[in-house]
Amino acid sequence: AQSVAQPEDQVNVAEGNPLTVKCTYSVSGNPYLFWYVQYPNRGLQFLLKYITGDNLVKGSYGFEAEFNKSQTSFHLKKPSALVSDSALYFCAVRSGSGNTGKLIFGQGTTLQVKP
Amino acid sequence: GAGVSQTPSNKVTEKGKYVELRCDPISGHTALYWYRQSLGQGPEFLIYFQGTGAADDSGLPNDRFFAVRPEGSVSTLKIQRTERGDSAVYLCASSLQGARDTQYFGPGTRLTVL
Repeated sequence: AQSVAQPEDQVNVAEGNPLTVKCTYSVSGNPYLFWYVQYPNRGLQFLLKYITGDNLVKGSYGFEAEFNKSQTSFHLKKPSALVSDSALYFCAVRSGSGNTGKLIFGQGTTLQVKP
Repeated sequence: GAGVSQTPSNKVTEKGKYVELRCDPISGHTALYWYRQSLGQGPEFLIYFQGTGAADDSGLPNDRFFAVRPEGSVSTLKIQRTERGDSAVYLCASSLQGARDTQYFGPGTRLTVL
């Protein structure tokens, strides 16, 4: 069965420090991997995705993520956190096989960046 | 350009009533998706349309839930005989073509069943 795990409910970092939000996945076939961010009372905003190619993916607002096939991970990173990055982050996966557009989401990680 | 829009933004109904939730996808997007997000959880897939047809409805929880997209653009999610457990935020997303493309989400409809 396909699944996504975000092992941390909350990540706390100081402004200016690097941040990492962890994600591991289980999927049949090659994975398509996504990160979304959700601000209070708003929908999900797309940050970045990995489909194929370079394992390091760069996305919006200075975020990047590294696909690691052997560890089945797709951790979200940013070199220098901003207070405005504080939000709820979701990792999602879909199988590269078949025709379904179904995304499987993790439970989310709350990022708190303190001044 | 305009993003995905959903109406209403909030819907309060009584147990047993029928509700319809509407989604307007990004113009030109042929694929449309419905998800449900309960409090403290990630979104859960309900149904995926490619054009007018439901390509995958495996996430619909039971036969009280139904969705249509008659002209391949606007979609309506219909819930019959609502139950308190149906209370959640219902999210709609669209993508340019197929399932490989990025899904862009609307702001959601918060459904409360009293």
